[in-house]
Amino acid sequence: NAGVTQTPKFRILKIGQSMTLQCAQDMNHNYMYWYRQDPGMGLKLIYYSVGAGITDKGEVPNGYNVSRSTTEDFPLRLELAAPSQTSVYFCASSYSKQGAGLAQHFGDGTRLSIL
Amino acid sequence: GQQLNQSPQSMFIQEGEDVSMNCTSSSIFNTWLWYKQDPGEGPVLLIALYKAGELTSNGRLTAQFGITRKDSFLNISASIPSDVGIYFCAGPGGSQGNLIFGKGTKLSVKP
Repeated sequence: NAGVTQTPKFRILKIGQSMTLQCAQDMNHNYMYWYRQDPGMGLKLIYYSVGAGITDKGEVPNGYNVSRSTTEDFPLRLELAAPSQTSVYFCASSYSKQGAGLAQHFGDGTRLSIL
Repeated sequence: GQQLNQSPQSMFIQEGEDVSMNCTSSSIFNTWLWYKQDPGEGPVLLIALYKAGELTSNGRLTAQFGITRKDSFLNISASIPSDVGIYFCAGPGGSQGNLIFGKGTKLSVKP
């Protein structure tokens, strides 16, 4: 019962470095999402995907990129890390965008610090 | 854009007390979701509501979909220490038609 798996759990980067946050789900969900969570600010949508090969920007996409080559995987790429990207990143997936399939299932997060 | 306002922002209660929190929207929702986030973990779905007036329970938790479709309520009865965490409401919305989340209610329970 893995659900949504995120790696790594923690990472410290230097300004200007790049990295990829990995996300995989085993529920055969078409919809996948990346959020960032800053203290007291709730969850903000970075990018989302409605299926393999299809991605779109969310509320705060600047400084990030995504790809969706398979149904299972949805990696998030930071090309030039900046201190403003210090946050906790959550990946989520859902069966659909309406009705009973709307509920999103979350991974445990990646805690990223940019120094 | 659409916003969800959760209140209270935080609560400090004694073990055994009942808890009430609510969420209001600037527009009508057709689905309300309540999540709980434990420290260091991702949000976990507690209750989903799909119909105005609906009242749904999950153990000691009860959530209601407001009649106006612009609000929802979550109650926890006889709180225990493991109820500690942040509770989020969520609903479909945003320019992308995805979920939008409230800022959360942080619950602390004193044994």
